[in-house]
Amino acid sequence: GAVVSQHPSWVICKSGTSVKIECRSLDFQATTMFWYRQFPKQSLMLMATSNEGSKATYEQGVEKDKFLINHASLTLSTLTVTSAHPEDSSFYICSALVENYGYTFGSGTRLTVV
Amino acid sequence: GENVEQHPSTLSVQEGDSAVIKCTYSDSASNYFPWYKQELGKRPQLIIDIRSNVGEKKDQRIAVTLNKTAKHFSLHITETQPEDSAVYFCAASTGTASKLTFGTGTRLQVTL
Repeated sequence: GAVVSQHPSWVICKSGTSVKIECRSLDFQATTMFWYRQFPKQSLMLMATSNEGSKATYEQGVEKDKFLINHASLTLSTLTVTSAHPEDSSFYICSALVENYGYTFGSGTRLTVV
Repeated sequence: GENVEQHPSTLSVQEGDSAVIKCTYSDSASNYFPWYKQELGKRPQLIIDIRSNVGEKKDQRIAVTLNKTAKHFSLHITETQPEDSAVYFCAASTGTASKLTFGTGTRLQVTL
C-alpha cells in the first residue's frame, strides 16, 4: 500500500524548454506532497511542499516561477521545470506522508538538460 | 528550521563487523526519526524509524537509539554484509503533515 507512481523516470531536454514531472498516489489520497531535489553525491533537499487545492510553499532559495507546482487533485501533483538549464540537471523525487503508514517516495526522475 | 547533521560521510567496514552512523538535530519539536538506505538512482528505502517516546528500537541486525536530551540519534548495523553497501540517510520530522529534513548522508562500503 501507499504507492506513489512518478513519471518519467528519466528525461533529457534542451536548454530553454520545460519539463513536467508527475506524481500520482495510487492507493491513497495525498493531501500533501513534498518535492525534493538531489544532486549527485548529495542529500535530498526539499524544494517545496504542495497542498491539494492551494498554492505550494517553497523553501528559501527555490524560485517559484521556475519550478511550478500544481496539486489540483488528491491523487496528482506535478512539478514543471520551466526554461530548464544545465544546472537544473538533477534527481527529482516526490514524497507523501500517509496517515498510519509514514512517508512514501516516488521512484524519482533523472533530469538531464543539454 | 530543522538542521540535521550526519557523520561520518564515508564508512568502510569489513564484512561481519558493525557500523555506526550518528546524527544530530536542532529542532527540539522533532519527534520522528527515520533512517533510509538509498542505492544509486533509486528512491530512499526506509530501514528503521524511531519516535521520540522511545529510546531504542531494534529490527534484526539494525538498531536505532535516540537521545532526546542531547538531540542525537544513531544507526547501528551489526554483522554487516556486502549488500549493506549503500548510502544511508537519517532524517527528522516534527510529525503530522511535516516535511522530512535529511542528513547529509553516509556512504557505507562493506568489504569482503
